[in-house]
Amino acid sequence: QVHLVQSGAEVKKPGASVKVSCKASGYTFTSNTMHWVRQAPGQRLEWMGWIHAGYGKTVYSQRFQGRVTITRDTSASTAYMELSSLSSEDTAVYYCAREDNTGWFTFGNWGQGTLVTVSS
Amino acid sequence: SSELTQDPAVSVALGQTVRITCQGDNLRTSYVHWYQQKPGQAPVLVFYGKNSRPSGIPDRFSGSSSGNTASLTITGAQAEDEADYYCNSRDSSGNHYVFGTGTKVTVL
Repeated sequence: QVHLVQSGAEVKKPGASVKVSCKASGYTFTSNTMHWVRQAPGQRLEWMGWIHAGYGKTVYSQRFQGRVTITRDTSASTAYMELSSLSSEDTAVYYCAREDNTGWFTFGNWGQGTLVTVSS
Repeated sequence: SSELTQDPAVSVALGQTVRITCQGDNLRTSYVHWYQQKPGQAPVLVFYGKNSRPSGIPDRFSGSSSGNTASLTITGAQAEDEADYYCNSRDSSGNHYVFGTGTKVTVL
């Protein structure tokens, strides 16, 4: 079955960058699109962007444009999300989510989440 | 930009029926999907598309849509249905995605 395993919690200072990984298994990594979604404490889910793991095409939310970079390493079946110029408002749990190949653009599998804390 | 608006909270008596709504202009042209999220856990897809449930999701979850409003209905709510629910769709470009504001469902 599909598994998405994310890297561990991070503590960063304001102005720094963070890079979160998402290792996929149980399917052909390059066949699907991987999304990144974040959730600040007590807040709603917020979509950040996606990468097609095969083609490498990326699309980012305008809210994070210029600060977020999503990449992938096909040899390692791993997707990455890097967020720069961190502020306290970026404190959140970051999830990777695999888009299903059903034609419905749904997120059928999620990583366990990575807590990123931004604090001086 | 696309926005999806949900009621912040609803409550339902055990075994009764509750409907959660999601409003947004892009819903006139895009399908809505629904996710359930329990505290400390990742979201789980519970209903999608016109009329589909992922494997393992009870048939008490159903969905509908009309105009700019979509709904998720839980018929015969159980204690384990207490959670936050988020609607989700793509915007008019088809490349960007958006989540609703979320609805907290309390089962009394």
